[in-house]
Amino acid sequence: QVQLVESGGGVVPPGRSLRLSCVASGFTFSSYSIHWARQAPGKGLEWVALISYDGGNKFYADSVRGRFTISRDNSKNTLYLQMNSLRGEDTAIYFCARESYSYGPFDSWGQGTLVTVSS
Amino acid sequence: SYVLTQPASVSVAPGKTARISCGGDNIGSKSVHWYQQRPGQAPVLVISYDTDRPSGIPERFSGSNSGDTATLTISRVEAADEADYSCQVWDSGSDHYVFGTGTKVTVL
Repeated sequence: QVQLVESGGGVVPPGRSLRLSCVASGFTFSSYSIHWARQAPGKGLEWVALISYDGGNKFYADSVRGRFTISRDNSKNTLYLQMNSLRGEDTAIYFCARESYSYGPFDSWGQGTLVTVSS
Repeated sequence: SYVLTQPASVSVAPGKTARISCGGDNIGSKSVHWYQQRPGQAPVLVISYDTDRPSGIPERFSGSNSGDTATLTISRVEAADEADYSCQVWDSGSDHYVFGTGTKVTVL
């Protein structure tokens, strides 16, 4: 079955960096666009970034553009999110999610990894 | 940027019908997807492309979309439906996905 497993979260001081990973299994990873979304404590979902199936297209939310970089390694079935210049407002659970079809819904989600930005 | 507005909360008695709105400028021209999220869990897709139910989602869940409002309807509400619900669209004008503000459904 489709599985997405995030890792790499933790506590990090403001201004520092962190890299999240998402390992996929149960489907042909290289055929799907994959996203990062996040959820701050007690808040709603926020879309963060998208990378196309081959890595050729990347889009970012305005709140993270220029600080976060999404990438993927299809040979390792792994998605990444490099987060630089972290701020308190980046504190959230970060989910990776599979896009079912071209600019369609997210049909599979990981369980998330918690990032806390605090001194 | 495109904004989707949902009521913060909806309360409904068991067996009744819950309707959750998602407001956006001319949202009827976009495809709307809905997610259910129980506490401590990942979101689950319950309605795609305005009206489609993914495999495994009960027929009690339905959707509509017209004008400036999309609606998720839960018929014959059960205790297990108590969760947060969020709408979502792809905004091609900005190349962004957008989530709604989210609605907490409480079963009385």
